[in-house]
Amino acid sequence: AQSVTQLDSHVSVSEGTPVLLRCNYSSSYSPSLFWYVQHPNKGLQLLLKYTSAATLVKGINGFEAEFKKSETSFHLTKPSAHMSDAAEYFCVVIIRDDKIIFGKGTRLHILP
Amino acid sequence: EPEVTQTPSHQVTQMGQEVILRCVPISNHLYFYWYRQILGQKVEFLVSFYNNEISEKSEIFDDQFSVERPDGSNFTLKIRSTKLEDSAMYFCASSVLRGGIEQFFGPGTRLTVL
Repeated sequence: AQSVTQLDSHVSVSEGTPVLLRCNYSSSYSPSLFWYVQHPNKGLQLLLKYTSAATLVKGINGFEAEFKKSETSFHLTKPSAHMSDAAEYFCVVIIRDDKIIFGKGTRLHILP
Repeated sequence: EPEVTQTPSHQVTQMGQEVILRCVPISNHLYFYWYRQILGQKVEFLVSFYNNEISEKSEIFDDQFSVERPDGSNFTLKIRSTKLEDSAMYFCASSVLRGGIEQFFGPGTRLTVL
């Protein structure tokens, strides 16, 4: 069965320190993987996507993610957190056509 | 920059009433979607729509739900007889193509069923 697991429901980091949000997937197909961010009272905004090109994907706002097939992971990272990064982050898999599966989300807290 | 818009931002209704949630997708997009997010839970796929018909739907999308593209711009989700458990944030999305292509999401409509 296809699934997406975000390993942490909450992550807290200090401003200026690295961010790591973890995502593992399970898929029988070759997946397309995405990270979306949701700020309070806002819609879902695409951060970055992997669609079988380069395994290291760079996104907006300094975020990047690495697709590791051997580990079935697609973790999201940023070298230095900013207060404006505080939001909910969703790892998303599109398995085939438009069948889309969301992870449960990780709420990122930035400490001053 | 073009964006998906949704109205209303918040809808409160009584159990058993019909509600219509409205979305205006990005104008050159051909594929349209509805998702919902019950408070504290993950975002769930409801339905996808292309060429004036449903292309895929989840088990959540039962006979109480329907979608329509009544004109060239709006895309609506109707819940015929709302239940308490329909209370959720409903997101509309659209995309140019299907198959692993980015979907653009609207800001959502928060539906509260009393």
